[in-house]
Amino acid sequence: EPEVTQTPSHQVTQMGQEVILRCVPISNHLYFYWYRQILGQKVEFLVSFYNNEISEKSEIFDDQFSVERPDGSNFTLKIRSTKLEDSAMYFCASTPAGQAFFGQGTRLTVV
Amino acid sequence: QQQVKQSPQSLIVQKGGISIINCAYENTAFDYFPWYQQFPGKGPALLIAIRPDVSEKKEGRFTISFNKSAKQFSLHIMDSQPGDSATYFCAARVNAGNMLTFGGGTRLMVKP
Repeated sequence: EPEVTQTPSHQVTQMGQEVILRCVPISNHLYFYWYRQILGQKVEFLVSFYNNEISEKSEIFDDQFSVERPDGSNFTLKIRSTKLEDSAMYFCASTPAGQAFFGQGTRLTVV
Repeated sequence: QQQVKQSPQSLIVQKGGISIINCAYENTAFDYFPWYQQFPGKGPALLIAIRPDVSEKKEGRFTISFNKSAKQFSLHIMDSQPGDSATYFCAARVNAGNMLTFGGGTRLMVKP
């Protein structure tokens, strides 16, 4: 069964450093998303991406965040200058415009 | 208006019992209401979903009840099993391709 894959599974970074979280969505899907989940809290929407551009973004997705689909298969989330409060699980998801499929997540720890 | 409120935050049920989790929403433009199951260290996985044109949907031991006038929907897990112990999230979406708005989650523990 096709699945959304995310790498790395865990990333530790120093505050102020840039991180790139990577995702390979399911191949025939059209919509791609990033969500985050701070430990023990609910899943929060960050950004959606369709037709090679951002279609929707939340208040959380400020100027320090960016997304890219560099090669037609990977979908990346970049955080330019990480803060302690960016520590969370980051989930990539994709959909053909119906059910959303989530990856296993990347645990980002900012120290 | 985008919020989805979920209750209870945690739930303990005996094996074989019925687990009931409730959600309420305000945005009448929501047209798709999925429930996700999440095990520790894993991503949310779709369990069952409903659209507002039906009042109930059943898949195996899982049933969604939907009350459009009250803007509420609930998940019922019949014959709950220890393997059902997980965090359950309700969610809602306006249109296909749009973002999901998640409820706060319910941590379910089914005791053997």
